[in-house]
Amino acid sequence: EDQVTQSPEALRLQEGESSSLNCSYTVSGLRGLFWYRQDPGKGPEFLFTLYSAGEEKEKERLKATLTKKESFLHITAPKPEDSATYLCAVQASRAGNTPLVFGKGTRLSVIA
Amino acid sequence: DADVTQTPRNRITKTGKRIMLECSQTKGHDRMYWYRQDPGLGLRLIYYSFDVKDINKGEISDGYSVSRQAQAKFSLSLESAIPNQTALYFCATSEDTYNEQFFGPGTRLTVL
Repeated sequence: EDQVTQSPEALRLQEGESSSLNCSYTVSGLRGLFWYRQDPGKGPEFLFTLYSAGEEKEKERLKATLTKKESFLHITAPKPEDSATYLCAVQASRAGNTPLVFGKGTRLSVIA
Repeated sequence: DADVTQTPRNRITKTGKRIMLECSQTKGHDRMYWYRQDPGLGLRLIYYSFDVKDINKGEISDGYSVSRQAQAKFSLSLESAIPNQTALYFCATSEDTYNEQFFGPGTRLTVL
């Protein structure tokens, strides 16, 4: 069974205090790993897709990295507007339909 | 205008009532999905459709049904609502099975 575990559940940072969010996964062959941002009361917003170990992608203060067992979302010098829940999801490369499996998310609060 | 819209945005109903949630998209995607989100449980897939003639059950389809009226429209029905179906419901679309998904703004459903 495909599984995704995100840690920590919640993270509180001071503005400018860099940190990382973790996404550990178990899947029988990874087709892709997705990161989303979700603001309260809104739908998830796509951030990144990673396909193979060693791959990295960046967007503003965010950088996502991938190994064979986990992904990290690094947040450099965060600002209050980075406060949100960050979701990780995996998709297996098995034959047939393989929907996304989501983790429970990390709720990030950045304090000014 | 938003690419993925959901109606209604909020709904309060009573146990036993039939409820329909609607999703429309202007992205031209073939793939459409329905998820529910509960605190502490993350996003879980209810049903998905790869085209108008293809409907598939997700992880938690019991108590729900769907209709794909056109490429752009995908409806979720609760035939006889029960209180544990109280949740946030999201519709999503994707260009292909292996591409990122784009989410609607969500419907907050409360079953009393």
